[in-house]
Amino acid sequence: DAGITQSPRHKVTETGTPVTLRCHQTENHRYMYWYRQDPGHGLRLIHYSYGVKDTDKGEVSDGYSVSRSKTEDFLLTLESATSSQTSVYFCAISGGGQGAFYEQYFGPGTRLTVT
Amino acid sequence: GESVGLHLPTLSVQEGDNSIINCAYSNSASDYFIWYKQESGKGPQFIIDIRSNMDKRQGQRVTVLLNKTVKHLSLQIAATQPGDSAVYFCAEGGATNKLIFGTGTLLAVQP
Repeated sequence: DAGITQSPRHKVTETGTPVTLRCHQTENHRYMYWYRQDPGHGLRLIHYSYGVKDTDKGEVSDGYSVSRSKTEDFLLTLESATSSQTSVYFCAISGGGQGAFYEQYFGPGTRLTVT
Repeated sequence: GESVGLHLPTLSVQEGDNSIINCAYSNSASDYFIWYKQESGKGPQFIIDIRSNMDKRQGQRVTVLLNKTVKHLSLQIAATQPGDSAVYFCAEGGATNKLIFGTGTLLAVQP
């Protein structure tokens, strides 16, 4: 497995509360991504990072913010969680190692439930 | 919890048979394509990739075929095993380092 961990792995929170998910990599890859996965929608990109402090929006970025202060960590924050943000969140990395630059490797996921 | 496999097209095969999973991609300018396997409760796992200048690539028990004329990608799995049961996604990418994922196909291997 690629050296990617996500924390927490499971979380239940109430509507209106802030939530931060963490992705940590030990591969020194340049690019990091946050996706959400919902039945019938596949994987949808929320935000991504192309370097420390360099981030950009994906297709479903509303209600989410990210930060990357170190190469190894990429944080996803839900400022005020809503029930529509109940989902499984995956972090991915690319841009390093022996693989092609575009190959993305995924973490184990975080299951978030907003009640 | 609800499985990612719900609401997906399903391919059911007998153990030992060959499986073919198909994917239609959207962007004729896409330069590379990747197949991922996702087992229940786990993150997607890279299987094999192919660049747009190729039409076939083989790996261990898997072959990916690319038909750019009709924007079609397929994954062939030889001698399918119970451990191959999973959801399979195709993904396409281009000039950026972003991938666009298909919704997936559930492969169910019957013993």
